[in-house]
Amino acid sequence: QQPVQSPQAVILREGEDAVINCSSSKALYSVHWYRQKHGEAPVFLMILLKGGEQKGHEKISASFNEKKQQSSLYLTASQLSYSGTYFCGTVGSSNTGKLIFGQGTTLQVKP
Amino acid sequence: EAQVTQNPRYLITVTGKKLTVTCSQNMNHEYMSWYRQDPGLGLRQIYYSMNVEVTDKGDVPEGYKVSRKEKRNFPLILESPSPNQTSLYFCASRPWAGGYYTSSTDTQYFGPGTRLTVL
Repeated sequence: QQPVQSPQAVILREGEDAVINCSSSKALYSVHWYRQKHGEAPVFLMILLKGGEQKGHEKISASFNEKKQQSSLYLTASQLSYSGTYFCGTVGSSNTGKLIFGQGTTLQVKP
Repeated sequence: EAQVTQNPRYLITVTGKKLTVTCSQNMNHEYMSWYRQDPGLGLRQIYYSMNVEVTDKGDVPEGYKVSRKEKRNFPLILESPSPNQTSLYFCASRPWAGGYYTSSTDTQYFGPGTRLTVL
């Protein structure tokens, strides 16, 4: 079951904040976040494991609420380099490690 | 340098002409996957492999085959390509010790992508 991301697209000015949400209808073991620049491969940002932890990567952080089966990615004081498409990937309760990606959220940061 | 390589990067072919997209990783990863990416649909898994000689279907396996004879290589085979297989394809690899992810350092690395057009 593909996780659902919202919003589908965001346009920001440099220095503004954004939140991208990822929601699943199934129980989750872990949530993964990737960023993809146009024409390039997705690049790993972070993994959040079951336990409700919060992670950070520069000015990008994320939270994972396993009870609500949701994760959120927080981008603070956005920079031009943050532009791209953000994907969440989810791993459910299985032994296959199968990672299922959401449809993506396009973020555009303008000067 | 840790990397996943794919070849070719671009391919234009015709319906029915068998093709293979190669994928190789130099990180000694057990787990490898193939994804296709289409506008508005995100990344959809085609096949995955947990180790040599162990492969299984992902979400969109129809029309594709894979093999895993060596740990480093995971080729994607289209026996009879059709226009609906026109897409951007990514190979990916990561460590796998069986079971769930046990560490937040279990990064999945993607190859650079192969843009396939089937006429």
